[in-house]
Amino acid sequence: NAGVTQTPKFQVLKTGQSMTLQCAQDMNHNSMYWYRQDPGMGLRLIYYSASEGTTDKGEVPNGYNVSRLNKREFSLRLESAAPSQTSVYFCASSRVIGQPQHFGDGTRLSIL
Amino acid sequence: GQQLNQSPQSMFIQEGEDVSMNCTSSSIFNTWLWYKQDPGEGPVLLIALYKAGELTSNGRLTAQFGTTRKDSFLNISASIPSDVGIYFCAGQYFTNAGKSTFGDGTTLTVKP
Repeated sequence: NAGVTQTPKFQVLKTGQSMTLQCAQDMNHNSMYWYRQDPGMGLRLIYYSASEGTTDKGEVPNGYNVSRLNKREFSLRLESAAPSQTSVYFCASSRVIGQPQHFGDGTRLSIL
Repeated sequence: GQQLNQSPQSMFIQEGEDVSMNCTSSSIFNTWLWYKQDPGEGPVLLIALYKAGELTSNGRLTAQFGTTRKDSFLNISASIPSDVGIYFCAGQYFTNAGKSTFGDGTTLTVKP
């Protein structure tokens, strides 16, 4: 029962480096999401994919790109990392958009 | 955008006590969700509410969808040490493409 799997779990980058966070779900869900969580704050939506072949911006998309590789996989890319992007990143999926979401355990990303 | 105000921000209680927390919104939602996040893990769905006035229980947890559709409440009865964690509310509305807006969380500490 893997659910939503995120890799890597931890990463340290230098300012300006690029990085792709990977996410895969095995629940045959149509919709997938990327959030960031900063201390003392809730989850803020970066990008989402309502279904395979579509992606849309969320609340805080600047500095990020996404790819819905297939129905299972949804990746998040930082092209030129900045210290302000230090955060915990969560991937989630739901059967369809608007249904409750299942979350991965997060990627803890530090940018120096 | 839609704003959620979750309170209290943190709670320190004695084992066995009851807990109440709530979320209020500046606009209406058609779905309210309550999640719990344990340290180092992603949020896990506790209760989903789909109708104004709905009252739903999950073991010692009870949540209600406010009749104005702008608020929701979560109660935990007879708290135990494993209730420790961060509790998030989330609201969804059709015109927001079913995306969730999250509160900033209530951090619960239970003293044995």
